[in-house]
Amino acid sequence: GQQVMQIPQYQHVQEGEDFTTYCNSSTTLSNIQWYKQRPGGHPVFLIQLVKSGEVKKQKRLTFQFGEAKKNSSLHITATQTTDVGTYFCAGLQRLYGNKLVFGAGTILRVKS
Amino acid sequence: GAVVSQHPSRVICKSGTSVKIECRSLDFQATTMFWYRQFPKQSLMLMATSNEGSKATYEQGVEKDKFLINHASLTLSTLTVTSAHPEDSSFYICSARKPFSSGLSYEQYFGPGTRLTVT
Repeated sequence: GQQVMQIPQYQHVQEGEDFTTYCNSSTTLSNIQWYKQRPGGHPVFLIQLVKSGEVKKQKRLTFQFGEAKKNSSLHITATQTTDVGTYFCAGLQRLYGNKLVFGAGTILRVKS
Repeated sequence: GAVVSQHPSRVICKSGTSVKIECRSLDFQATTMFWYRQFPKQSLMLMATSNEGSKATYEQGVEKDKFLINHASLTLSTLTVTSAHPEDSSFYICSARKPFSSGLSYEQYFGPGTRLTVT
């Protein structure tokens, strides 16, 4: 079945440093979505990428979708304490019934 | 935006009893809802896909007789954990997908989750 790998599992950065999390799918994806889950909270939709090579920005967050539509990354510039949480990528493959398959998530901790 | 509520937020029950969790889409009609289970510091594991007016589709390894799902209306899906055991203790999260409009969008809106503890 479809698998989505996400690394790193955990990252602890100093406030102001950059942060990147990477996702890799075993199959070509229809789209990839990113979610953020704060400690004790539920996943909140951040963005969806659909096109090959697509790049989208949300303030300090930059999302990329690979040319082959099998990998994606989320980059945060100059992290802040409010960025703390777990970032999940989720891949959607229509052949698998339009179900999202979540990566394992990257836990981000920011030291002030 | 899109708001999904879930009730209860926390529940403690005794082993052998059944627990019902409700998931509601408050400001949109959701033809498809999803039920996930999340263990501490782990990812979301899809349990089943719930379509309004039809039987739920369960993922491999999920017991349909144990986790009963009903999607009776476009705004409500329920998950009933029957004959709960301590190993069923977990964080259960539902999500809802908006109907497709112009341009396909598969983004999902998550409820706040229900923490189930079975003693």
